[in-house]
Amino acid sequence: NAGVTQTPKFRVLKTGQSMTLLCAQDMNHEYMYWYRQDPGMGLRLIHYSVGEGTTAKGEVPDGYNVSRLKKQNFLLGLESAAPSQTSVYFCASSYSGQGAREQFFGPGTRLTVL
Amino acid sequence: QQQVKQSPQSLIVQKGGISIINCAYENTAFDYFPWYQQFPGKGPALLIAIRPDVSEKKEGRFTISFNKSAKQFSLHIMDSQPGDSATYFCAASIASGTYKYIFGTGTRLKVLA
Repeated sequence: NAGVTQTPKFRVLKTGQSMTLLCAQDMNHEYMYWYRQDPGMGLRLIHYSVGEGTTAKGEVPDGYNVSRLKKQNFLLGLESAAPSQTSVYFCASSYSGQGAREQFFGPGTRLTVL
Repeated sequence: QQQVKQSPQSLIVQKGGISIINCAYENTAFDYFPWYQQFPGKGPALLIAIRPDVSEKKEGRFTISFNKSAKQFSLHIMDSQPGDSATYFCAASIASGTYKYIFGTGTRLKVLA
């Protein structure tokens, strides 16, 4: 039981390049989330999904897109990376309903945009 | 109204001492207040959580104190140990269907041996 996994662990991009971050969970969770973590800013929600085929915007969605084609996977895309997107990205998942009170986090992806 | 304010930003405590981290919120619709613990290089993990119908919850050395009228809650770590050195995040959520969290800005705790 791997829990929540994220790929890749580290990535360096040049401004304007694109990339996709992959999140996978093997706990059969309905809900999945993408956060970014910046010093002094805590964790901010980028996008989230309450089920396969559904996505919604969080607090800081600009510059990012997501897809949830399979229940176990949640992809975060950067179409044209900017230095302001340098951050540590965390994926999380949870059960639905009251089970959503506990989110399970992956180990994070450290992204640097030059 | 959606913010959760956390203080202090960093905290240094001697081994065996008490660590106290405070959070404040505005939105009275919040009905669930978790604390997450994050070790360097790892993702956050749920430590302890409280609902507003109780004033205190204790799990081992960790206690949440909740003051509904003041809209404040705090994490107390008794007998702090070097292994408690981590970043702690408070959060709040509403039972609105998606149960999204609003996180505080985090407190980096260092417990000296």
